[in-house]
Amino acid sequence: NAGVTQTPKFRVLKTGQSMTLLCAQDMNHEYMYWYRQDPGMGLRLIHYSVGEGTTAKGEVPDGYNVSRLKKQNFLLGLESAAPSQTSVYFCASSGYNEQFFGPGTRLTVL
Amino acid sequence: GIQVEQSPPDLILQEGANSTLRCNFSDSVNNLQWFHQNPWGQLINLFYIPSGTKQNGRLSATTVATERYSLLYISSSQTTDSGVYFCAVEQMDSSYKLIFGSGTRLLVRP
Repeated sequence: NAGVTQTPKFRVLKTGQSMTLLCAQDMNHEYMYWYRQDPGMGLRLIHYSVGEGTTAKGEVPDGYNVSRLKKQNFLLGLESAAPSQTSVYFCASSGYNEQFFGPGTRLTVL
Repeated sequence: GIQVEQSPPDLILQEGANSTLRCNFSDSVNNLQWFHQNPWGQLINLFYIPSGTKQNGRLSATTVATERYSLLYISSSQTTDSGVYFCAVEQMDSSYKLIFGSGTRLLVRP
């Protein structure tokens, strides 16, 4: 039982490049979330999903897209990366109560 | 939207000391969780506590929903307790989305 896993763990991009972050959970959770954490701050919600095939915007959705084609996976895409997207990205999943978090992906955009 | 304020922002303790961390929120909530982010960046669930009191070893938490605050107690602190403690709440009508406070940074000295 791996819980919530994220790939990759680290990535460096140049401005304008694209990439996809993958989140996977093996707890059969309906809800999945993508957050970003900037230095010295709490987490802010980017996008979330309340079930397979659904997605919705969070607090800071601009510049990101998401897809939930399978219940266990939630993908976060950056189509044209910008330095302002340098951050640590966390994925989480939940049933109806607690959210459980993955280990994070540290992304640097040069 | 709902505001989540944590205090104190920073706390330095000598090993063995006790401490109380506070989380105030500005509106009614469905869900409240406490997390510990360790120095390696991992987010660890401490408590799911929308109301009432829970204890887990040296840690305990109390949420008084009617007065819109929650407290996290750490007793006999250890150096491994160092890190950032986050409170996160789900507003009553917010579809399972968590809003994070900015955290309390704790350093426990040997």
